[in-house]
Amino acid sequence: GNSVTQMEGPVTLSEEAFLTINCTYTATGYPSLFWYVQYPGEGLQLLLKATKADDKGSNKGFEATYRKETTSFHLEKGSVQVSDSAVYFCALVGTSNTGKLIFGQGTTLQVKP
Amino acid sequence: EAGVAQSPRYKIIEKRQSVAFWCNPISGHATLYWYQQILGQGPKLLIQFQNNGVVDDSQLPKDRFAAERLKGVDSTLKIQPAKLEDSAVYLCASSPRGRGTEAFFGQGTRLTVV
Repeated sequence: GNSVTQMEGPVTLSEEAFLTINCTYTATGYPSLFWYVQYPGEGLQLLLKATKADDKGSNKGFEATYRKETTSFHLEKGSVQVSDSAVYFCALVGTSNTGKLIFGQGTTLQVKP
Repeated sequence: EAGVAQSPRYKIIEKRQSVAFWCNPISGHATLYWYQQILGQGPKLLIQFQNNGVVDDSQLPKDRFAAERLKGVDSTLKIQPAKLEDSAVYLCASSPRGRGTEAFFGQGTRLTVV
């Protein structure tokens, strides 16, 4: 079945450091890929998405590229801020495209001033 | 535009008791989801409605969980009787339609079963 695997956390960085959170997936065909973010005390919010191979999703300085050959969708940001501290979830919607999201286990990011 | 509303925000019950959660999706959203998020894990879909019909309930423990979406708007999720392993955050989400559209999440209900 479809699944998503994220790198273990927590990830602790200093402000302005470069961020990478690894995400790989298992799915048949071409799923849609997502990054969701959960800030403390808030609900899940869509951060970015990509719906076909080689697409790059971007938002708020974050980027992720849909790599079919490596079944990956790694999240990157060039310079993190304290306000980026949150839990990040990689997710997919399978080719049946009912809208059902399959999530990874989440990666906690803590950015220190 | 108002977001997805859920209540209560927190609930503590004893095992074998019953509990109910309520969700009001974004107006006009045809698709409604209930997810269960156990601490340290990603959310897992329990049930998906399209209007007031069930699209997917394959991971809903039907011996103890029940969900309904009357009139294709609000939804309730009930657990009876609760077990310790039901302790989790229950997330409601909605989208304009299931296929290819963003899901918007509520803040969730944190359930603790003691």
